[in-house]
Amino acid sequence: SAVISQKPSRDICQRGTSLTIQCQVDSQVTMMFWYRQQPGQSLTLIATANQGSEATYESGFVIDKFPISRPNLTFSTLTVSNMSPEDSSIYLCSVEDHSYGYTFGSGTRLTVV
Amino acid sequence: GQQLNQSPQSMFIQEGEDVSMNCTSSSIFNTWLWYKQDPGEGPVLLIALYKAGELTSNGRLTAQFGITRKDSFLNISASIPSDVGIYFCAGQGSAGNNRKLIWGLGTSLAVNP
Repeated sequence: SAVISQKPSRDICQRGTSLTIQCQVDSQVTMMFWYRQQPGQSLTLIATANQGSEATYESGFVIDKFPISRPNLTFSTLTVSNMSPEDSSIYLCSVEDHSYGYTFGSGTRLTVV
Repeated sequence: GQQLNQSPQSMFIQEGEDVSMNCTSSSIFNTWLWYKQDPGEGPVLLIALYKAGELTSNGRLTAQFGITRKDSFLNISASIPSDVGIYFCAGQGSAGNNRKLIWGLGTSLAVNP
């Protein structure tokens, strides 16, 4: 199955600042997915990132708050902009891994103070 | 967004006991996935099911894709302390927007040695 390297693994940030999370895959993939997991909750899809086109955002998530880059078939970034304490969550990237379902990175645990 | 009904929400069992959890949906799915998430990690795929009625095992784990395509269960036999974690089900439809993963809210498992 695909191997995903996600960083940073955790960060503590001041409100009003921005954090960019990186996701590197060891193989070329068409779509990469960004999820948010609030404390004690399930996973919520933020957006789908396709190489060469703008990301597709889910209801409740907007590009100004969560800009995404997808410069090539193995890499993507998610930025959490103008952070507030409500943005404290685990952020996960994922790829569809044929025959293996979806593979996830180990997540970025973000705390906004 | 849409979510699956996953139960139980939490379980506290003795080592060696068997465990059963299930997910139900109002929609039919083409794929059911079962994941385990350890603290500080992303979800890891346990079992993927692709056909109604399919029964698949992975070591002490067994999962079934319900005949109606609206439900699935996961059984863990002879539980051990390392089974501790949160278990998530996820369903996927066939095409377009229905291919997004729909997640259960998770079952938190604690095992008393």
